[in-house]
Amino acid sequence: QVQLQESGPGLVKPSETLSLTCTVSSGSISSYYWTWIRQPPGKGLEWIGYIFSSGSSNYNPSLKSRVTMSVDTSKNRFSLKLSSVTAADTAVYYCARGEIVPYYNMEFWGKGTTVTVSS
Amino acid sequence: QSVLTQPPSASGTPGQRVTISCSGSRSNIGTNTVNWYRLLPGTAPKLLIYRNDQRPSGVPDRFSGSKSGTSASLAISGLQSEDEADYYCAAWDDRLNGLAFGGGTKLTVL
Repeated sequence: QVQLQESGPGLVKPSETLSLTCTVSSGSISSYYWTWIRQPPGKGLEWIGYIFSSGSSNYNPSLKSRVTMSVDTSKNRFSLKLSSVTAADTAVYYCARGEIVPYYNMEFWGKGTTVTVSS
Repeated sequence: QSVLTQPPSASGTPGQRVTISCSGSRSNIGTNTVNWYRLLPGTAPKLLIYRNDQRPSGVPDRFSGSKSGTSASLAISGLQSEDEADYYCAAWDDRLNGLAFGGGTKLTVL
């Protein structure tokens, strides 16, 4: 059973860069769309973007200018960087494994990590 | 405001059948398939239905999905207290070139 685990700081200061890593275990990181999704407090899910195992990526247009994703196939993990954060970026951040677009069903998810943006 | 539209809440009594709707447009549901997820606080989101009406292994057949035109729905029959959760629909949007979610429906089992 594929397992995903998010890791990273739970508190980030405004204007700084949020950095999270998702480690994939019991499965290869090849040939899937590795995805980041977030849920702000009291709100719905928001797609941040994906990075394919080859390194190609696609980001939510509303976040594109601040998002960078990367993948490390040797360590079976992928990462998210979100720059110039504000309080609006406070959320539970999930990583997930996506099947081929446009079907893009995500069967395997991490449990989520809470990131708070505050000074 | 979400690209896909869901009712914010739904409810039912144990044993009942409830349906949650998801409305979109030609660029998302009208063209691509719909997936449904269940969210419970502190746990990983769970895929309930993929490609409109397919159940992943392990998901009970009490859960079913359908799609017609630019709308989709999730039906839960034989409602159980453990079904109380938030449910989200999702579909790829060709115009946005990204994944669109519904706003989520909070299901209460009375």
